[in-house]
Amino acid sequence: SYVLTQTPSVSVAPGKTARITCGGNNIGSKSVHWYRKTPGQAPVLVIYNGNDRPSGIPGRFSGSNSGNTATLTISRVEAGDEADYYCQVWGGSSVIFGGGTKLTVL
Amino acid sequence: QVQLQQSGPGLVRPSQTLSLTCTVSGRSIGSGGHYWSWVRQHPGKGLEWIGFIYYSGSTYYNPSFKSRATISVATSKNQFSLKLTSVTAADTAVYYCARTLYYYDNNAYFDSWGQGVLVTVSS
Repeated sequence: SYVLTQTPSVSVAPGKTARITCGGNNIGSKSVHWYRKTPGQAPVLVIYNGNDRPSGIPGRFSGSNSGNTATLTISRVEAGDEADYYCQVWGGSSVIFGGGTKLTVL
Repeated sequence: QVQLQQSGPGLVRPSQTLSLTCTVSGRSIGSGGHYWSWVRQHPGKGLEWIGFIYYSGSTYYNPSFKSRATISVATSKNQFSLKLTSVTAADTAVYYCARTLYYYDNNAYFDSWGQGVLVTVSS
């Protein structure tokens, strides 16, 4: 089955740019979606179809996808961005999630 | 704006059946256009998709759950439900319902989520 690989943790200082990657075989051919998850809260869709933002998600969030890596980029990181971030694709016969990346704002 | 409200017991005995319901407001399930999913998260772990259903009753399941999970829909009540049979401690998790955009065999994602319910499997 299709596997998505995420770096377990990323740390960034406030105001800087965070890049969270999601690796998968030829993931560039798939539509990638990203979710933010904080403890005790439901996941929130932050990027869908690679680089589209739902209403209410600030423009600081963007996505890219090419080759074997998809990337979620968060510009001008704020303390409130600290969360777990999950990538997700349709893996042919099933929804597949990455293992998640914990973003720590220093 | 669509809202999803989950309900169901927080404690299930081993070998019994876990049953959860998701009530949708702000959007009629019967109007189509969306699928309706169940996703879970084990404590301290990642997200795991269980399956989804269309208002017509068509279902798609994660192969890992296909033998134990049943998702059903009640359009008259604007609800959909999950039953998971023969539960064990490994089924202890927070269960979420979610509205799903699904493009046949090509793409799927979740744009609205319920609040989540912690279900503990224990005697």
